[in-house]
Amino acid sequence: DTGVSQDPRHKITKRGQNVTFRCDPISEHNRLYWYRQTLGQGPEFLTYFQNEAQLEKSRLLSDRFSAERPKGSFSTLEIQRTEQGDSAMYLCASSFGQANYEQYFGPGTRLTVT
Amino acid sequence: GQQLNQSPQSMFIQEGEDVSMNCTSSSIFNTWLWYKQDPGEGPVLLIALYKAGELTSNGRLTAQFGITRKDSFLNISASIPSDVGIYFCAGHPNSNYQLIWGAGTKLIIKP
Repeated sequence: DTGVSQDPRHKITKRGQNVTFRCDPISEHNRLYWYRQTLGQGPEFLTYFQNEAQLEKSRLLSDRFSAERPKGSFSTLEIQRTEQGDSAMYLCASSFGQANYEQYFGPGTRLTVT
Repeated sequence: GQQLNQSPQSMFIQEGEDVSMNCTSSSIFNTWLWYKQDPGEGPVLLIALYKAGELTSNGRLTAQFGITRKDSFLNISASIPSDVGIYFCAGHPNSNYQLIWGAGTKLIIKP
């Protein structure tokens, strides 16, 4: 399977704990995006990478969120000191080329903070 | 800021019916994308549009890039049960912007 993969698919954590999610993009894709989606809404952009460089971060991304893409391949998104408001689906997408055109999404990681 | 208005919010359809939904923006867009999302899954890209007036098909799905560049339409012909889900439009005014998303159209099969 050459699609975008995400791990884990589901995560339940207690408030205050740290969590880390992984995304493996389509292998030849140089751009990788993280989104957050809550029920009944479209995806909200969080951040994106071109190769290993993080080129843009949304104002929605608080200091508790950090993302890395160390070798320009897979990426991790870490949330520190989770809050109940962080409960959402976290989606990763990838695309090829120099523009933010066709983005292909992974299955998402559903985070529940209790 | 940029906004996309997607309508209708939801539709009840009977199997075999044709379905239409649309998306409008307050400014000119260079790209329109249509995605479908099933519960608990990520969005799946259905159709991408890059030129005003462009009409593109993917099986029973047809999408058009409006001539004013401020709207796009998605039609589904002869709907089947697996068409149920949420359809999102997305696009941007130029390639330097991140995608702007509509709120989705939920397709539900009438019992």
